[in-house]
Amino acid sequence: RKEVEQDPGPFNVPEGATVAFNCTYSNSASQSFFWYRQDCRKEPKLLMSVYSSGNEDGRFTAQLNRASQYISLLIRDSKLSDSATYLCVAVTDKLIFGTGTRLQVFP
Amino acid sequence: DVKVTQSSRYLVKRTGEKVFLECVQDMDHENMFWYRQDPGLGLRLIYFSYDVKMKEKGDIPEGYSVSREKKERFSLILESASTNQTSMYLCASSSLAGVVNEQFFGPGTRLTVL
Repeated sequence: RKEVEQDPGPFNVPEGATVAFNCTYSNSASQSFFWYRQDCRKEPKLLMSVYSSGNEDGRFTAQLNRASQYISLLIRDSKLSDSATYLCVAVTDKLIFGTGTRLQVFP
Repeated sequence: DVKVTQSSRYLVKRTGEKVFLECVQDMDHENMFWYRQDPGLGLRLIYFSYDVKMKEKGDIPEGYSVSREKKERFSLILESASTNQTSMYLCASSSLAGVVNEQFFGPGTRLTVL
């Protein structure tokens, strides 16, 4: 079983839609998490950090459920520019990356 | 802004060649990392360093070595390139020696070994 698991997608959604991704992790010792965004053929860039129950930044909301060991990322009012792969990362003694969920927003 | 640069965006080498991938960061970060990224496998840690002349093996160090002679520079070396080392190589850096926190990535080097 992978330490961090994500649905690879793709999630195809129209502009303006709300979309949510889940990510499950196996190491209960993970105390914090990141969501990174990676555009095609580009490097990952930090989208948001999750240190407690959740975090919100504009249209993006991350929630952490420690009991069920999953983190979710909610994107409201999707834009074409949100099209990317979203990487879930668990923090232990190193960063453990999921393989990513691909989002495609269409007009 | 943190800037991490890598020496090449694309590289084509032949089996058996020695390959050097260079990474430089300009934010005085203590920690530097080398990953490879493959479809379906995600990012896998090859080597990392928390200080000059210090190196630690990651999850997949076989076939690779590293060098950190200066704080800002971390080099990945493929001693004898093989076709299964064809991949995207990503360098990253972070602050606070030994602390696991946000990492900043370079643009990546797409290496093809023929």
